[in-house]
Amino acid sequence: GAVVSQHPSWVICKSGTSVKIECRSLDFQATTMFWYRQFPKQSLMLMATSNEGSKATYEQGVEKDKFLINHASLTLSTLTVTSAHPEDSSFYICSARGLAATRYNEQFFGPGTRLTVL
Amino acid sequence: GNSVTQMEGPVTLSEEAFLTINCTYTATGYPSLFWYVQYPGEGLQLLLKATKADDKGSNKGFEATYRKETTSFHLEKGSVQVSDSAVYFCAPHPRGNAGKSTFGDGTTLTVKP
Repeated sequence: GAVVSQHPSWVICKSGTSVKIECRSLDFQATTMFWYRQFPKQSLMLMATSNEGSKATYEQGVEKDKFLINHASLTLSTLTVTSAHPEDSSFYICSARGLAATRYNEQFFGPGTRLTVL
Repeated sequence: GNSVTQMEGPVTLSEEAFLTINCTYTATGYPSLFWYVQYPGEGLQLLLKATKADDKGSNKGFEATYRKETTSFHLEKGSVQVSDSAVYFCAPHPRGNAGKSTFGDGTTLTVKP
């Protein structure tokens, strides 16, 4: 149990276009989802935390209008990179955490999405 | 907030050598402690975890013990293999629904035949 999927696993897009990345918890309800960004040979940088049904909380320095996060259901969160530019190229990883007092009350990570902006 | 200090890499070992990757943390409250592994080109995979003091997490020959008194969670393996070459991340996770996870900078391990 506790599988988190991401789609797509990789995407290449042209500069100026928008890209949507999906994060799904397949077998549990995720009350909280986290979005991370990882640059080559670096650690994970938390971008934002989203709770189902409410607005995401962004970390300092992350543009909320650039990285739109929607957590519309207990099993799905989306990250949309708007007007992507080459500097947005990165590995984006999501994680999901389930309800307290359940065995899913820890973070489970998706496999990541590699975005390349030409 | 939480912070993690992880042994700097890269670490290069010969096959069957002993591995230690140090990790110390500062945290508010009483976090659960995790080690994650990232193989080249892939996402994070949970390697092992420990949820309370003196617990030992283990998986695939790797072990780490939750040391509350020294706030450490060092990763060890008695005999590494080439297939263990990857980046290893230490991470305290807060309990309950509050707080956010912090990751160490990652330690790159290369095991040579």
